[in-house]
Amino acid sequence: AQKVTQAQTEISVVEKEDVTLDCVYETRDTTYYLFWYKQPPSGELVFLIRRNSFDEQNEISGRYSWNFQKSTSSFNFTITASQVVDSAVYFCALKGGETSGSRLTFGEGTQLTVNP
Amino acid sequence: EAGVAQSPRYKIIEKRQSVAFWCNPISGHATLYWYQQILGQGPKLLIQFQNNGVVDDSQLPKDRFSAERLKGVDSTLKIQPAKLEDSAVYLCASSPRGRGYYGYTFGSGTRLTVV
Repeated sequence: AQKVTQAQTEISVVEKEDVTLDCVYETRDTTYYLFWYKQPPSGELVFLIRRNSFDEQNEISGRYSWNFQKSTSSFNFTITASQVVDSAVYFCALKGGETSGSRLTFGEGTQLTVNP
Repeated sequence: EAGVAQSPRYKIIEKRQSVAFWCNPISGHATLYWYQQILGQGPKLLIQFQNNGVVDDSQLPKDRFSAERLKGVDSTLKIQPAKLEDSAVYLCASSPRGRGYYGYTFGSGTRLTVV
């Protein structure tokens, strides 16, 4: 079985603050993929990033960065200099490999509110 | 490239009534997923199709939910009879193939309210 845990249910910050969203996962597969999605109030799921289990390099995209640590089964997401438009629910998700088929298992989400 | 189309966008029904949702995946995508997202939770997989065959329906409440994907293209998810706890957003997603990673595209969802 696979599981994704996002311990932070809600986070509130003031604009321009940095914020980190935590994600811890469990899987028995040796090959797997990790994702982050953004869900704004309109409801659609917006893909942000995918990382496979063999690539532990951190990634930066503009104000977004991701820290993948296989040793601690974590895939954390940092927003630098947050903006009001970053307010949304953010989901971490896991797609397993040999034992899990191609289903995506989502965490419960973190509601991020960025106040002006 | 057109996205995953879902209809209706919103639906309000009374408990014990029936309802159906429709999904048209991206052209050529072999795999289609239906997810249920209850307010305040992450999406949960209900059923996965590979072409027109069911790959995974382990979390589908089969006593009231059914789904089909005729000709391996469009799909319909039905609830009969609906319960209050079925109130949720129903998301459809598609991907080119089942194994490995080939990307997922989600539709905008159908928001169901059961009163």
